[in-house]
Amino acid sequence: DTAVSQTPKYLVTQMGNDKSIKCEQNLGHDTMYWYKQDSKKFLKIMFSYNNKELIINETVPNRFSPKSPDKAHLNLHINSLELGDSAVYFCASSQGVIAEETQYFGPGTRLLVL
Amino acid sequence: GESVGLHLPTLSVQEGDNSIINCAYSNSASDYFIWYKQESGKGPQFIIDIRSNMDKRQGQRVTVLLNKTVKHLSLQIAATQPGDSAVYFCALAPGSSYKLIFGSGTRLLVRP
Repeated sequence: DTAVSQTPKYLVTQMGNDKSIKCEQNLGHDTMYWYKQDSKKFLKIMFSYNNKELIINETVPNRFSPKSPDKAHLNLHINSLELGDSAVYFCASSQGVIAEETQYFGPGTRLLVL
Repeated sequence: GESVGLHLPTLSVQEGDNSIINCAYSNSASDYFIWYKQESGKGPQFIIDIRSNMDKRQGQRVTVLLNKTVKHLSLQIAATQPGDSAVYFCALAPGSSYKLIFGSGTRLLVRP
Protein backbone atom coordinates (compact mmCIF):
# COMPACT_ATOMS: atom_id res chain seq x y z
CA ASP A 1 0.00 0.00 0.00
CA THR A 2 2.80 2.35 -1.03
CA ALA A 3 1.57 5.94 -1.20
CA VAL A 4 4.04 7.37 -3.74
CA SER A 5 5.99 4.90 -5.83
CA GLN A 6 8.75 5.41 -8.37
CA THR A 7 10.36 3.13 -10.91
CA PRO A 8 13.10 2.28 -11.36
CA LYS A 9 14.84 2.62 -8.01
CA TYR A 10 18.27 2.56 -9.65
CA LEU A 11 19.20 3.65 -13.14
CA VAL A 12 22.72 3.40 -14.55
CA THR A 13 23.18 4.58 -18.11
CA GLN A 14 25.64 6.04 -20.58
CA MET A 15 25.96 9.68 -21.49
CA GLY A 16 23.79 10.63 -24.45
CA ASN A 17 21.07 8.06 -23.74
CA ASP A 18 17.40 8.86 -23.19
CA LYS A 19 15.67 7.52 -20.09
CA SER A 20 12.36 7.79 -18.26
CA ILE A 21 11.40 7.64 -14.60
CA LYS A 22 7.84 6.86 -13.63
CA CYS A 23 5.87 8.00 -10.59
CA GLU A 24 2.47 6.99 -9.32
CA GLN A 25 0.53 8.07 -6.24
CA ASN A 26 -2.50 6.34 -4.77
CA LEU A 27 -3.36 9.09 -2.29
CA GLY A 28 -5.94 10.75 -4.49
CA HIS A 29 -3.84 13.93 -4.56
CA ASP A 30 -4.24 16.59 -7.21
CA THR A 31 -0.64 17.83 -7.29
CA MET A 32 2.58 16.02 -8.12
CA TYR A 33 6.20 17.16 -8.14
CA TRP A 34 9.66 16.21 -9.31
CA TYR A 35 12.67 17.15 -7.20
CA LYS A 36 16.38 16.65 -7.81
CA GLN A 37 18.72 15.89 -4.91
CA ASP A 38 22.41 16.30 -5.59
CA SER A 39 25.36 14.58 -3.95
CA LYS A 40 25.39 17.18 -1.15
CA LYS A 41 21.75 16.33 -0.34
CA PHE A 42 20.49 19.65 -1.66
CA LEU A 43 16.85 19.22 -2.71
CA LYS A 44 15.46 21.41 -5.46
CA ILE A 45 12.06 21.53 -7.13
CA MET A 46 12.02 20.88 -10.86
CA PHE A 47 8.37 20.65 -11.87
CA SER A 48 4.90 20.44 -10.42
CA TYR A 49 1.59 19.50 -11.99
CA ASN A 50 -1.90 20.08 -10.67
CA ASN A 51 -4.64 18.00 -12.31
CA LYS A 52 -2.35 17.39 -15.28
CA GLU A 53 -1.61 21.10 -15.69
CA LEU A 54 1.98 22.38 -15.36
CA ILE A 55 2.28 24.74 -12.39
CA ILE A 56 5.99 24.99 -11.64
CA ASN A 57 8.71 24.79 -14.26
CA GLU A 58 12.01 25.77 -12.74
CA THR A 59 15.06 26.61 -14.83
CA VAL A 60 15.57 23.04 -15.88
CA PRO A 61 17.20 22.17 -19.23
CA ASN A 62 14.59 21.34 -21.84
CA ARG A 63 16.15 17.89 -22.10
CA PHE A 64 13.89 17.19 -19.10
CA SER A 65 10.25 16.76 -20.06
CA PRO A 66 7.58 15.84 -17.54
CA LYS A 67 4.40 14.15 -18.64
CA SER A 68 1.24 13.70 -16.61
CA PRO A 69 -1.17 11.27 -18.31
CA ASP A 70 -3.58 11.58 -15.37
CA LYS A 71 -3.44 13.16 -11.94
CA ALA A 72 -2.13 9.96 -10.34
CA HIS A 73 0.92 9.75 -12.58
CA LEU A 74 3.82 12.08 -13.34
CA ASN A 75 6.65 10.73 -15.44
CA LEU A 76 9.98 12.35 -16.19
CA HIS A 77 11.74 11.82 -19.49
CA ILE A 78 15.34 12.89 -19.89
CA ASN A 79 16.97 13.21 -23.31
CA SER A 80 20.67 13.18 -24.08
CA LEU A 81 21.75 12.40 -20.54
CA GLU A 82 24.80 14.24 -19.21
CA LEU A 83 27.18 13.46 -16.35
CA GLY A 84 25.70 16.32 -14.34
CA ASP A 85 22.28 14.66 -14.41
CA SER A 86 23.55 12.07 -11.94
CA ALA A 87 21.47 12.59 -8.80
CA VAL A 88 18.56 11.17 -6.87
CA TYR A 89 15.20 12.18 -8.32
CA PHE A 90 12.22 12.30 -5.99
CA CYS A 91 8.59 12.38 -6.91
CA ALA A 92 6.13 13.85 -4.41
CA SER A 93 2.44 14.58 -4.21
CA SER A 94 0.13 16.83 -2.22
CA GLN A 95 -3.59 17.39 -2.02
CA GLY A 96 -3.56 21.02 -3.10
CA VAL A 97 -1.30 23.21 -5.17
CA ILE A 98 -0.03 25.70 -2.60
CA ALA A 99 3.27 25.07 -0.85
CA GLU A 100 1.58 24.75 2.54
CA GLU A 101 0.02 21.44 1.56
CA THR A 102 2.01 18.57 3.03
CA GLN A 103 4.07 16.86 0.38
CA TYR A 104 4.54 13.09 0.44
CA PHE A 105 7.71 11.85 -1.18
CA GLY A 106 8.47 8.66 -3.04
CA PRO A 107 11.55 6.53 -2.30
CA GLY A 108 13.66 8.16 -5.01
CA THR A 109 15.34 7.06 -8.24
CA ARG A 110 19.12 6.98 -8.13
CA LEU A 111 20.40 7.96 -11.56
CA LEU A 112 24.05 7.47 -12.44
CA VAL A 113 25.26 8.68 -15.81
CA LEU A 114 28.59 7.23 -16.94
CA GLY B 1 15.71 35.59 -3.54
CA GLU B 2 14.99 33.31 -0.63
CA SER B 3 17.69 31.22 0.93
CA VAL B 4 17.69 28.76 3.74
CA GLY B 5 20.80 27.73 5.61
CA LEU B 6 21.69 25.39 8.40
CA HIS B 7 24.23 26.11 11.10
CA LEU B 8 25.72 22.61 11.36
CA PRO B 9 26.12 20.02 8.63
CA THR B 10 26.45 17.15 11.13
CA LEU B 11 25.20 16.83 14.68
CA SER B 12 26.24 13.94 16.91
CA VAL B 13 24.27 13.30 20.10
CA GLN B 14 24.16 10.64 22.77
CA GLU B 15 21.09 8.43 22.80
CA GLY B 16 18.63 9.83 25.30
CA ASP B 17 19.88 13.40 25.04
CA ASN B 18 17.92 16.20 23.43
CA SER B 19 18.88 17.34 19.91
CA ILE B 20 18.58 20.83 18.50
CA ILE B 21 18.86 21.42 14.78
CA ASN B 22 18.99 25.01 13.60
CA CYS B 23 18.03 26.78 10.40
CA ALA B 24 18.37 30.39 9.26
CA TYR B 25 16.42 32.08 6.52
CA SER B 26 16.76 35.41 4.80
CA ASN B 27 13.35 36.61 3.65
CA SER B 28 11.06 38.00 6.33
CA ALA B 29 8.07 37.52 4.00
CA SER B 30 8.28 33.74 4.49
CA ASP B 31 5.21 32.64 6.37
CA TYR B 32 5.25 28.86 6.44
CA PHE B 33 8.06 26.63 7.67
CA ILE B 34 8.43 22.86 7.68
CA TRP B 35 10.84 20.24 8.93
CA TYR B 36 11.43 17.06 6.97
CA LYS B 37 13.36 13.94 7.97
CA GLN B 38 15.17 11.83 5.40
CA GLU B 39 16.41 8.41 6.44
CA SER B 40 19.12 6.71 4.44
CA GLY B 41 17.82 5.43 1.11
CA LYS B 42 14.37 6.94 1.56
CA GLY B 43 12.47 10.03 0.56
CA PRO B 44 11.93 13.01 2.88
CA GLN B 45 9.14 12.59 5.41
CA PHE B 46 7.14 15.44 6.95
CA ILE B 47 7.76 15.95 10.66
CA ILE B 48 6.19 19.20 11.77
CA ASP B 49 5.29 22.63 10.45
CA ILE B 50 4.71 26.10 11.82
CA ARG B 51 3.18 29.29 10.49
CA SER B 52 4.71 32.71 10.94
CA ASN B 53 1.98 33.80 13.36
CA MET B 54 3.27 31.23 15.88
CA ASP B 55 6.49 31.02 17.90
CA LYS B 56 6.33 27.41 18.96
CA ARG B 57 4.61 24.20 18.01
CA GLN B 58 4.90 20.80 19.63
CA GLY B 59 4.48 17.31 18.28
CA GLN B 60 5.35 13.92 19.62
CA ARG B 61 8.90 14.34 21.01
CA VAL B 62 9.53 17.22 18.59
CA THR B 63 9.18 20.96 19.01
CA VAL B 64 9.68 23.63 16.39
CA LEU B 65 10.61 27.14 17.46
CA LEU B 66 10.39 30.16 15.20
CA ASN B 67 12.16 33.42 15.94
CA LYS B 68 11.08 35.88 13.29
CA THR B 69 13.18 38.69 14.72
CA VAL B 70 16.43 36.92 13.89
CA LYS B 71 14.92 34.77 11.11
CA HIS B 72 15.79 31.54 12.84
CA LEU B 73 14.01 28.19 13.02
CA SER B 74 14.93 25.24 15.18
CA LEU B 75 13.83 21.66 15.63
CA GLN B 76 14.16 20.12 19.05
CA ILE B 77 14.00 16.36 19.47
CA ALA B 78 13.52 15.11 23.00
CA ALA B 79 15.15 11.91 24.23
CA THR B 80 16.85 11.23 20.92
CA GLN B 81 16.67 7.62 19.79
CA PRO B 82 18.71 5.63 17.26
CA GLY B 83 15.74 5.78 14.89
CA ASP B 84 16.12 9.55 14.81
CA SER B 85 19.38 9.21 12.88
CA ALA B 86 18.70 10.88 9.55
CA VAL B 87 19.22 14.06 7.56
CA TYR B 88 16.88 16.84 8.64
CA PHE B 89 15.77 19.59 6.28
CA CYS B 90 14.07 22.83 7.02
CA ALA B 91 11.96 24.23 4.21
CA LEU B 92 9.95 27.35 3.79
CA ALA B 93 7.25 28.74 1.58
CA PRO B 94 7.17 32.44 0.81
CA GLY B 95 3.67 33.89 1.01
CA SER B 96 1.18 32.49 -1.56
CA SER B 97 3.90 30.42 -3.15
CA TYR B 98 3.49 27.17 -5.03
CA LYS B 99 6.92 25.86 -4.12
CA LEU B 100 8.95 24.89 -1.09
CA ILE B 101 12.52 26.06 -0.73
CA PHE B 102 14.64 23.50 1.07
CA GLY B 103 17.72 24.07 3.20
CA SER B 104 20.87 22.07 2.71
CA GLY B 105 20.22 19.54 5.48
CA THR B 106 21.79 18.53 8.81
CA ARG B 107 22.84 14.96 9.43
CA LEU B 108 21.90 13.77 12.92
CA LEU B 109 23.98 10.88 14.29
CA VAL B 110 22.81 9.19 17.47
CA ARG B 111 25.55 7.49 19.51
CA PRO B 112 24.48 4.43 21.51
